[in-house]
Amino acid sequence: KAGVTQTPRYLIKTRGQQVTLSCSPISGHRSVSWYQQTPGQGLQFLFEYFSETQRNKGNFPGRFSGRQFSNSRSEMNVSTLELGDSALYLCASSTGTADTQYFGPGTRLTVL
Amino acid sequence: GESVGLHLPTLSVQEGDNSIINCAYSNSASDYFIWYKQESGKGPQFIIDIRSNMDKRQGQRVTVLLNKTVKHLSLQIAATQPGDSAVYFCAENIVRGNYQLIWGAGTKLIIKP
Repeated sequence: KAGVTQTPRYLIKTRGQQVTLSCSPISGHRSVSWYQQTPGQGLQFLFEYFSETQRNKGNFPGRFSGRQFSNSRSEMNVSTLELGDSALYLCASSTGTADTQYFGPGTRLTVL
Repeated sequence: GESVGLHLPTLSVQEGDNSIINCAYSNSASDYFIWYKQESGKGPQFIIDIRSNMDKRQGQRVTVLLNKTVKHLSLQIAATQPGDSAVYFCAENIVRGNYQLIWGAGTKLIIKP
């Protein structure tokens, strides 16, 4: 099976812009979770989608949003970008029950 | 509140020695634990998992130990190699009805030649 893919891999934006990141889960996985990782930091949970519904949400402002499509592919959007949004954004897929999450390579977002 | 934490942020080990990375958790109701390895510039990779009905599980060169009495989890890596250099995360599944993983802060493993 193909692994989790994320596009784009690298992105440079300026403050105030908005960005959309994409994640394609492993075939058959219905859950997609998004994480933000800043240098030297752990994984900060953004949200999780399961069968097109947001099932869990972390403590991020409303500028961070996401959605999931019927084929389980997911997108996350960040509006009005701030310098502090520069990070590695990781997506992980799973079957959706208490099991392992498999991660993509991440999208490196730099906000100038 | 509920949390999963790591005792040491950085661990330096001589090549060939065994490594032990520790993790504490606070929710006694957690029933599933996972270790991940993250190499520089990559997403976390699954290493090994363990369910709460077990106290030990072995993989290839790795062993995870679970002590529910003191709510402690450890990852043992045998005969540490340069390729083991990475940040290691433990994660805990707290069944709140929505299967959300709670992540530890990570431990950086450095291999000395």
